[in-house]
Amino acid sequence: AQSVTQLGSHVSVSEGALVLLRCNYSSSVPPYLFWYVQYPNQGLQLLLKYTSAATLVKGINGFEAEFKKSETSFHLTKPSAHMSDAAEYFCALDSNYQLIWGAGTKLIIKP
Amino acid sequence: ETGVTQTPRHLVMGMTNKKSLKCEQHLGHNAMYWYKQSAKKPLELMFVYSLEERVENNSVPSRFSPECPNSSHLFLHLHTLQPEDSALYLCASSPSRGSPLHFGNGTRLTVT
Repeated sequence: AQSVTQLGSHVSVSEGALVLLRCNYSSSVPPYLFWYVQYPNQGLQLLLKYTSAATLVKGINGFEAEFKKSETSFHLTKPSAHMSDAAEYFCALDSNYQLIWGAGTKLIIKP
Repeated sequence: ETGVTQTPRHLVMGMTNKKSLKCEQHLGHNAMYWYKQSAKKPLELMFVYSLEERVENNSVPSRFSPECPNSSHLFLHLHTLQPEDSALYLCASSPSRGSPLHFGNGTRLTVT
């Protein structure tokens, strides 16, 4: 069965520090993977997507994610956190045209 | 302007009321979706419309009734809801099924 696991419901980092949000997946076929972000009182917005063209995917706002098949992971990173990055981040797996969602990770930025 | 507009933004209703949520997309997309977002739970897909074909999540109670009169508009009709139905209801659209989703800002529903 397909599944997505996000490790850590909350992640807290200092402004300027590295952001690392973890996502592991389970899929019986080559996956399409996505990261979405949800700012307070808004809907979700696509950050980036992996569709097998390149294992390192660059997204908006300085975020990137690396697909590692051997580790079944698709972790999201950003070298230097900004206060404006405070939001909830969702990892998702495309399975037969339906998205399977992780439970989300709330990113907290400390000044 | 997000491209996907949901109204109302907030709705409080009693368990015996009937209300409707509205979604409109200005992106020319062919697929539209209703999602339920509850605290500490993954997003739950409720309904999908794609080129007038409806794909329904079988676990959605019949007190939720979708309507898609054309490719730009999507409604969610609500009746005799339960307090556990309180959640953020998100509408999304995509060029086709399997394409990345564009979300509206949601309707925060509270059932009293």
